[in-house]
Amino acid sequence: GQQVMQIPQYQHVQEGEDFTTYCNSSTTLSNIQWYKQRPGGHPVFLIQLVKSGEVKKQKRLTFQFGEAKKNSSLHITATQTTDVGTYFCAVLDRNNDMRFGAGTRLTVKP
Amino acid sequence: NAGVTQTPKFQVLKTGQSMTLQCAQDMNHNSMYWYRQDPGMGLRLIYYSASEGTTDKGEVPNGYNVSRLNKREFSLRLESAAPSQTSVYFCASGRSNQPQHFGDGTRLSIL
Repeated sequence: GQQVMQIPQYQHVQEGEDFTTYCNSSTTLSNIQWYKQRPGGHPVFLIQLVKSGEVKKQKRLTFQFGEAKKNSSLHITATQTTDVGTYFCAVLDRNNDMRFGAGTRLTVKP
Repeated sequence: NAGVTQTPKFQVLKTGQSMTLQCAQDMNHNSMYWYRQDPGMGLRLIYYSASEGTTDKGEVPNGYNVSRLNKREFSLRLESAAPSQTSVYFCASGRSNQPQHFGDGTRLSIL
């Protein structure tokens, strides 16, 4: 099935530092979704990217879709304690099933 | 709107017991999903239902059965629980290929 690799698995930053998580696929993707899960909570949809090279911003969050549509990144500028959680990418595999990456767990030290 | 509602929130079972996890959504979505989440492994799809009356296996269907009772409800059944099924279970709903809306999860422990 579709393999989507997400790195890093963990990231610990000082408040105010930037953070980036990456999602990589061995095959071309039709689209990619990003979700955030707070500790003890459920995944919440953040954004969907569809077009090659697409860049979308949500306040301090910047999402990019690679030109080849095989990778994507989520970048947070000047992290805050409210950014704590696990960030997942999700893609459709060839059976049209949603496949989630393993997630990047972000902790922020005040 | 309640969104996606899962019951129960917590459950402890003994090996071999059976139980059904309930899920209901009030967003008129055609598609519903069941995932399990284990540490370091993200979310893995167990079963999904693209529309009322249809169900399909996902990545990890063994040991589970599902029923799409109507458009609103999608239940997950463990016929004979095993310790390997200890996990957090999430139900989600959405339109095909669109963002999914998740319930709060069921934390299931099997002893």
